[in-house]
Amino acid sequence: AQSVTQLDSQVPVFEEAPVELRCNYSSSVSVYLFWYVQYPNQGLQLLLKYLSGSTLVKGINGFEAEFNKSQTSFHLRKPSVHISDTAEYFCAVSGTGNTPLVFGKGTRLSVIA
Amino acid sequence: DADVTQTPRNRITKTGKRIMLECSQTKGHDRMYWYRQDPGLGLRLIYYSFDVKDINKGEISDGYSVSRQAQAKFSLSLESAIPNQTALYFCATSAQGTDTQYFGPGTRLTVL
Repeated sequence: AQSVTQLDSQVPVFEEAPVELRCNYSSSVSVYLFWYVQYPNQGLQLLLKYLSGSTLVKGINGFEAEFNKSQTSFHLRKPSVHISDTAEYFCAVSGTGNTPLVFGKGTRLSVIA
Repeated sequence: DADVTQTPRNRITKTGKRIMLECSQTKGHDRMYWYRQDPGLGLRLIYYSFDVKDINKGEISDGYSVSRQAQAKFSLSLESAIPNQTALYFCATSAQGTDTQYFGPGTRLTVL
């Protein structure tokens, strides 16, 4: 079985500053990793995903994440945030077979003007 | 038109009532999922279905049941609603082999 830990429940950051949202996972098998974003009063949409290949994954809205197998991490980064990035961010993991996603508890990113 | 739709979007009901939440998709995906979201707990899987004849329990299936009426429709039922089932409920779909899930807009359910 897989599990996900998002190390920060809330992250406040000033506009145009860099941000890193941390995610660690646990699994006994190979995994796929995902970051989803939920804007206020909306459903979730995919930011980026790692399935295989390059460990640095680029997503929408200037976000990127790096898969680190030795540290079992998949941290999300953005070099310069905007007010519009204020949202809740979810890290998720699945096994590479027919297994559903397991989500972390979420990190609420608040961008301050 | 949205690819994944959920009805109703908001529902207030009383303890003991039977409630059905419906999900429809036009993406042609064979896999469908029901999650609930609670503040500070993230999304937890209730049930999932990999095709019309396949139904599987998720992490928190107690108190819920589902029906996969067709490839495009997946309904979630609360047979006798209780207050701790107050939550935001999401339906999602995915295509076999892709692992990317697409979410509906959610149903906010309040049980009084």
